Amino acid sequence: QVQLVQSGAEVKKPGASVKVSCKASGYTFTNYYIHWVRQAPGQGLEWMGIINPSDGTTSYAQKFQGRVTMTRDTSTSTVYMELSSLRSEDTAVYYCARGFRGMDVWGQGTTVTVSS
Amino acid sequence: DIVMTQSPDSLAVSLGERATINCKSSQSVLYSSNSKNYLAWYQQKPGQPPKLLIYWASTRESGVPDRFSGSGSGTDFTLTISSLQAEDVAVYYCQQYYSPPRTFGPGTKVDIK
Repeated sequence: QVQLVQSGAEVKKPGASVKVSCKASGYTFTNYYIHWVRQAPGQGLEWMGIINPSDGTTSYAQKFQGRVTMTRDTSTSTVYMELSSLRSEDTAVYYCARGFRGMDVWGQGTTVTVSS
Repeated sequence: DIVMTQSPDSLAVSLGERATINCKSSQSVLYSSNSKNYLAWYQQKPGQPPKLLIYWASTRESGVPDRFSGSGSGTDFTLTISSLQAEDVAVYYCQQYYSPPRTFGPGTKVDIK
């Protein structure tokens, strides 16, 4: 079945970086964009950016420009999202989602906690 | 950026009754070349990722019960749950995919009265 499986929870100190993975299966990896969306505790959904797995081109939300990097590895059908210079406000659940007329398949989410 | 707003923030509806959620975009998400509204609706239950319910503003995703329907065009959209069931308790988000950033509305919490 079509699924996105994300890496496990992370605890990081302020100023550090985190890299979250999202492994796709059950469909042709290069045919669908992948979005990253985050959700702070008790808050709504925030779009971070998108990557085209076919050629690696990316588009990031202005808020995250300079701090986020999205990459992909076509040999393993995996997309990565790295967020640097972490601060407490980055504590959230991070989701990857397949982009197709909206976001039709979501990963299970990765909790990133930023705490000293 | 396209700003998405939703109303109400929350609502409580009796089982079997209708629930209506409104979504407004700060600019049109209707793409004139194909006459499609680039608007989706999602349902999110506690501890779960969002689930796509509706795309192109009014097309139900496969497997979504037909009590969920979407309507509207341009800048004003509505999600209707025709007969609320207990399992529909959730937060509902609209989202535009017309242009980046792909902004979401703030969400509407639906509860049982």
